[in-house]
Amino acid sequence: QQQVKQSPQSLIVQKGGISIINCAYENTAFDYFPWYQQFPGKGPALLIAIRPDVSEKKEGRFTISFNKSAKQFSLHIMDSQPGDSATYFCAAFNQAGTALIFGKGTTLSVSS
Amino acid sequence: NAGVTQTPKFRVLKTGQSMTLLCAQDMNHEYMYWYRQDPGMGLRLIHYSVGEGTTAKGEVPDGYNVSRLKKQNFLLGLESAAPSQTSVYFCASKKAGTRNDEQFFGPGTRLTVL
Repeated sequence: QQQVKQSPQSLIVQKGGISIINCAYENTAFDYFPWYQQFPGKGPALLIAIRPDVSEKKEGRFTISFNKSAKQFSLHIMDSQPGDSATYFCAAFNQAGTALIFGKGTTLSVSS
Repeated sequence: NAGVTQTPKFRVLKTGQSMTLLCAQDMNHEYMYWYRQDPGMGLRLIHYSVGEGTTAKGEVPDGYNVSRLKKQNFLLGLESAAPSQTSVYFCASKKAGTRNDEQFFGPGTRLTVL
């Protein structure tokens, strides 16, 4: 049973535009929601993460918005650049709280 | 500090052959993981370990076995490879403690089963 649902599967954005990726989770017990970024041929790497006691976290052009009551969180990439073209994964913990379970990923293409 | 390394980087197997993928980390992390990545399926957890000598099943454990004899190494075995196991395999590690410690990934192993 997948615990994290991610959408859209793919996204094309023009340079300078805003990219938005959404995720929904099921288990309300967990307290850490990271986003990972993966470039072709590489392993995923942590991009940004949030705890549910805050509604928003911003790091540079990347912002996570968190809606605890709806059990949803989203990644916003402002002023999207071609270098942001990658696959993005949201994640949450498994039932035991010992391993991250990932969404299916969103492939972002930023056109110049 | 090499981080998480995986051996081999590429491998082609015939159906029924066996092989072992090796993951090593030099960060003294307690937790280690094996994921597989397939198009449209994202990253799926195969097995994981929370310490030396302990392993647990993830989402898709069938057809795989693992061992964690040393803290720094986590081995993933395929006893009888099947075409459905064609995938990119990623190892990851994380230190024990709070959940918000980063999970570090290796560069991946691309496995093709003919």
